[in-house]
Amino acid sequence: GENVEQHPSTLSVQEGDSAVIKCTYSDSASNYFPWYKQELGKRPQLIIDIRSNVGEKKDQRIAVTLNKTAKHFSLHITETQPEDSAVYFCAASLLLSGGGADGLTFGKGTHLIIQP
Amino acid sequence: DTGVSQDPRHKITKRGQNVTFRCDPISEHNRLYWYRQTLGQGPEFLTYFQNEAQLEKSRLLSDRFSAERPKGSFSTLEIQRTEQGDSAMYLCASSLLGFSGNTIYFGEGSWLTVV
Repeated sequence: GENVEQHPSTLSVQEGDSAVIKCTYSDSASNYFPWYKQELGKRPQLIIDIRSNVGEKKDQRIAVTLNKTAKHFSLHITETQPEDSAVYFCAASLLLSGGGADGLTFGKGTHLIIQP
Repeated sequence: DTGVSQDPRHKITKRGQNVTFRCDPISEHNRLYWYRQTLGQGPEFLTYFQNEAQLEKSRLLSDRFSAERPKGSFSTLEIQRTEQGDSAMYLCASSLLGFSGNTIYFGEGSWLTVV
């Protein structure tokens, strides 16, 4: 089955600096890569996603890049703000019986700390 | 529509008891998923439904775990003969396949503590 590795487990950056979180996946058939943000005690919330037919996607201060050959994808947050502090999870789609590539395999998460 | 809702939000039970969690997906979402999340880990996929059909259940953690979605709307996840290792947050999620792709929306989760 799919395996997703995520690094680093903790990332501390100064407010206003950029943060980069990296993930690798094992199953070359995976074709959907979302990123979720989870605040303490809250639900995971989708912040951005990318599909395998696209190499990069950007939404304001957040961008995701995908290298299918290397099976790497990364989350980039620019101009970090205190409210960006949370745990971020990458995920990859899992091919399931019955069709559909939407059973997600998650990484272990990155605790992003924005220092004022 | 207020998103995916789960009930109860918190449950404390004694080891050996059965527990059931309910999930109401976003209206008209045809796919519904169950995940388990333990502290410091990412969500772990358990099972999913498309309408009322359970399309994947091999990842349920043991035969003590079962899920249903009888009318293709709400779903229940039951854990029989609970063990302390079952203590975790159980997340439900839903999506509308075929419209905007596979964007999956999570509920707030049901916290289970087995004592």
